[in-house]
Amino acid sequence: KAGVTQTPRYLIKTRGQQVTLSCSPISGHRSVSWYQQTPGQGLQFLFEYFSETQRNKGNFPGRFSGRQFSNSRSEMNVSTLELGDSALYLCASSWTGAVDQPQHFGDGTRLSIL
Amino acid sequence: KQEVTQIPAALSVPEGENLVLNCSFTDSAIYNLQWFRQDPGKGLTSLLLIQSSQREQTSGRLNASLDKSSGRSTLYIAASQPGDSATYLCAAPNSGNTPLVFGKGTRLSVIA
Repeated sequence: KAGVTQTPRYLIKTRGQQVTLSCSPISGHRSVSWYQQTPGQGLQFLFEYFSETQRNKGNFPGRFSGRQFSNSRSEMNVSTLELGDSALYLCASSWTGAVDQPQHFGDGTRLSIL
Repeated sequence: KQEVTQIPAALSVPEGENLVLNCSFTDSAIYNLQWFRQDPGKGLTSLLLIQSSQREQTSGRLNASLDKSSGRSTLYIAASQPGDSATYLCAAPNSGNTPLVFGKGTRLSVIA
């Protein structure tokens, strides 16, 4: 069965712009989480969605937002981009987000800010 | 709050060697611990998930152990191959709930 799909794979933006990233979870999975990966900070949790509701949120500014649709697909939006937002953004899905379920990751979207 | 640490940050070994990667965590009331592999420019591939009631899990040449009392997990790779070269990350839920808290990873190079 198809894995977690993230689009686009690569994005180049300039400071001040905004960007939307997309994540399609594994079929049947209803929990979607987003992570930011940078060389300095490693993987950091952004937020988790379940049944179209944000269930958990990490320590990121309000410029970072997301949503989930009724088919469990999720989007992440970053407004007023800063150079420090350059990172690999990873999406993970699981059946319900319960702690005993493994998280399955996509290949990520590489965002570069010029 | 859970904190996860992986030492060393990088490791280089000759092909065929057995090796151990280390992961330590601060909250012993851990629900489970997951090991991932990440190839350059790629996402994470789940390798093993150890529940708190288990002491170890095995998949092929990989064996992961979990010692809650000492706050440690190890990933044992037998008969390493150049194809094992990647970054290995461990992660645990934060205080019994998602999200996952990740270590910074160990970058493994297996030299032919």
